Amino acid sequence: DTAVSQTPKYLVTQMGNDKSIKCEQNLGHDTMYWYKQDSKKFLKIMFSYNNKELIINETVPNRFSPKSPDKAHLNLHINSLELGDSAVYFCASSQDLQGGETQYFGPGTRLLVL
Amino acid sequence: SQKIEQNSEALNIQEGKTATLTCNYTNYSPAYLQWYRQDPGRGPVFLLLIRENEKEKRKERLKVTFDTTLKQSLFHITASQPADSATYLCALPSNTGGFKTIFGAGTRLFVKA
Repeated sequence: DTAVSQTPKYLVTQMGNDKSIKCEQNLGHDTMYWYKQDSKKFLKIMFSYNNKELIINETVPNRFSPKSPDKAHLNLHINSLELGDSAVYFCASSQDLQGGETQYFGPGTRLLVL
Repeated sequence: SQKIEQNSEALNIQEGKTATLTCNYTNYSPAYLQWYRQDPGRGPVFLLLIRENEKEKRKERLKVTFDTTLKQSLFHITASQPADSATYLCALPSNTGGFKTIFGAGTRLFVKA
């Protein structure tokens, strides 16, 4: 059973389009995250939700909007895609927000904006 | 501001040898430090966590040390195998709080048979 799953795995789209990435975790965790990994391989936090409540909202353009319909799901919608949005986006989850909690990552969504 | 540095150059070692990876950090005294492994095309996988009051932690062939004076963690893989080839990331809690984890850029390890 996949613990953290993301769809789609690959996403190729034109500039200006709107797209969504879906994430689901079956670990019963309270906290979920979105990370962006750029071409230099830096993994940077974008958002985190705890029990469907937004906890972390990094300096991310407001074209990016997360939505958590329930504790097991955290989706990411991106409006007006730009070339610089091309990256790998990882969803992750952890038991809760306590320090040192192990984060479980999904397989990533490779977004290419043309 | 908080900074995490990992050797950006790949580490090439022979099978059976011990691989040692370094994670240095500045402007911070974290309560713990984590190591993750990332294979190409996959998400990071948690390996070990070491707390500030622990000098050393072991798990099978893995050993992590945490020197809060030097502000450095060393990650060792003994009796390395080609299957250990991957990128290894160290991660610290953000010094601005807010339950954020800051990841280093990672060090790529190649173990040759």
